[in-house]
Amino acid sequence: DSGVTQTPKHLITATGQRVTLRCSPRSGDLSVYWYQQSLDQGLQFLIQYYNGEERAKGNILERFSAQQFPDLHSELNLSSLELGDSALYFCASRKGFDTEAFFGQGTRLTVV
Amino acid sequence: DQQVKQNSPSLSVQEGRISILNCDYTNSMFDYFLWYKKYPAEGPTFLISISSIKDKNEDGRFTVFLNKSAKHLSLHIVPSQPGDSAVYFCAASVVPGNQFYFGTGTSLTVIP
Repeated sequence: DSGVTQTPKHLITATGQRVTLRCSPRSGDLSVYWYQQSLDQGLQFLIQYYNGEERAKGNILERFSAQQFPDLHSELNLSSLELGDSALYFCASRKGFDTEAFFGQGTRLTVV
Repeated sequence: DQQVKQNSPSLSVQEGRISILNCDYTNSMFDYFLWYKKYPAEGPTFLISISSIKDKNEDGRFTVFLNKSAKHLSLHIVPSQPGDSAVYFCAASVVPGNQFYFGTGTSLTVIP
């Protein structure tokens, strides 16, 4: 158990819908990262938050947004969903900037 | 632009032998490197890391080697065990860290 909790584990939704993925980081970790893993591909960085502020942005679509709340949990919002958004979405948290990141179990999103 | 590359999608090794997984990177600013192991339907699990001030780091059966001039790192697993069968991702970041850049992964199969 990495200490990073992601909910829900699985999500099936229709095209055009909006979903929210939730991540609770390890206790004391200020950085939260979101990654997307499409079928048989590597992990693509989406966005990073540090102590409530956006710190870095990767290949995140405009239909996607995220935030980190004062209690440090984070949510990734995906809207106007398309079939191609079906993927595993991982959250990771990290204590400092020179330490490893710990990943949650992921949310498997299926858009039908 | 794939800044971290794992050119071998798969590798098979006999139990008890050495597994060598390779990773190349293009960004000379990277100075912190990590290896993660991933089982299906689970999040990546941190294995071992190395900073650019070192050329080797060991942790039990796992050793990571870094060749900065060649922009190459490798993970050695000795001896390999069937439980090591998983997908291995290398990752790199610039300290102080923003995102990790991940390779596309190498699927290791250890044959009993």
